[in-house]
Amino acid sequence: EAGVAQSPRYKIIEKRQSVAFWCNPISGHATLYWYQQILGQGPKLLIQFQNNGVVDDSQLPKDRFSAERLKGVDSTLKIQPAKLEDSAVYLCASSSPGEGQETQYFGPGTRLLVL
Amino acid sequence: AQSVSQHNHHVILSEAASLELGCNYSYGGTVNLFWYVQYPGQHLQLLLKYFSGDPLVKGIKGFEAEFIKSKFSFNLRKPSVQWSDTAEYFCAVKGGGYNKLIFGAGTRLAVHP
Repeated sequence: EAGVAQSPRYKIIEKRQSVAFWCNPISGHATLYWYQQILGQGPKLLIQFQNNGVVDDSQLPKDRFSAERLKGVDSTLKIQPAKLEDSAVYLCASSSPGEGQETQYFGPGTRLLVL
Repeated sequence: AQSVSQHNHHVILSEAASLELGCNYSYGGTVNLFWYVQYPGQHLQLLLKYFSGDPLVKGIKGFEAEFIKSKFSFNLRKPSVQWSDTAEYFCAVKGGGYNKLIFGAGTRLAVHP
């Protein structure tokens, strides 16, 4: 079974530029998550999709971050404009709903450096 | 607010030593508990999980964890570590009225041969 795919793996940009990350979840997984992992911290949920609908985006900085999952499969996360504090690893995960007992499977992440 | 605490940020052990990594969470009620591991250069992988039943959970590679509800704890153990266990270990909790996975800050384990 193929895992969660993410691209690019690394990205370096200057502050105020924009950047986009792509995620392809495990086939058949209806739930998709984007996490931000700052160095020295655990992953923090940014947004959760159930199919193509948003379940939780309470921790997404909506003034600069946006995410979409138009066809209920792939997803993109965008930052515009980027700030220095956005430097982090952006993780995508997916799961198959099971009455709240689902396990999340993570992709390799995109390491973003904002200069 | 919900929080997950991992007591040790860095642990250094020699091969064959025993390992115990602490994890405590802040909220009661029904919880799902997880330990994830991230080996150098690899992505987060599930090590073990607890949903219900026997509070002593066995995972991959000889790891186990014990859920102690009265202590809000889910400590990870391994009786004899190997050099290949060098990795970062994350405890994560879901529940307590919140439908999202909350991670601890992680513990970096270095095992010397």
